[in-house]
Amino acid sequence: DAGVIQSPRHEVTEMGQEVTLRCKPISGHNSLFWYRQTMMRGLELLIYFNNNVPIDDSGMPEDRFSAKMPNASFSTLKIQPSEPRDSAVYFCASRPSAGGYYGYTFGSGTRLTVV
Amino acid sequence: AQSVTQPDIHITVSEGASLELRCNYSYGATPYLFWYVQSPGQGLQLLLKYFSGDTLVQGIKGFEAEFKRSQSSFNLRKPSVHWSDAAEYFCAVGADTDKLIFGTGTRLQVFP
Repeated sequence: DAGVIQSPRHEVTEMGQEVTLRCKPISGHNSLFWYRQTMMRGLELLIYFNNNVPIDDSGMPEDRFSAKMPNASFSTLKIQPSEPRDSAVYFCASRPSAGGYYGYTFGSGTRLTVV
Repeated sequence: AQSVTQPDIHITVSEGASLELRCNYSYGATPYLFWYVQSPGQGLQLLLKYFSGDTLVQGIKGFEAEFKRSQSSFNLRKPSVHWSDAAEYFCAVGADTDKLIFGTGTRLQVFP
């Protein structure tokens, strides 16, 4: 089991550029979550999917952020245009199925720095 | 709606000392409860979880947690802390909703 795989591990970009973060969930997991973690705000849920369908995107900060899950094995989080305040660690997590019974398996995160 | 409170932002213990990290939840029925650990530069790793049955649950790395319904608590314990336990610890609750609700975390520092 390779776990949840995120790429890249580190990303440094200039303000105004487009940034795409990638996530491969554990095979067979039907739910996928995107989180953002900062010192100031802690761990924030941005969006989550069940069976590739976005269920709750109320945590997405603004229209500059978008997320897709074109199939069960891949998801992207895109920021366009990026701003310095988007600097954070972005985590992807997956779980076997919907419902509060299951815990999440987290990836190692992508550390994003926008300069 | 459910919620989770971790009252301690930062805890410092000496290596070999016992540890208890507090977690209080708010939910009308029996929730699903989790503890995660995050080492520096890493993602969150599941330590243990409680669903039902025995209120004392064992996890990885020598950790245990006890569910106390009367106190709405799910405190994490370890009898003897190792320097490698220095990390941030998150309590989480899951219930009827799809989402886990995470606490704000407790940072553990271990002195030799």
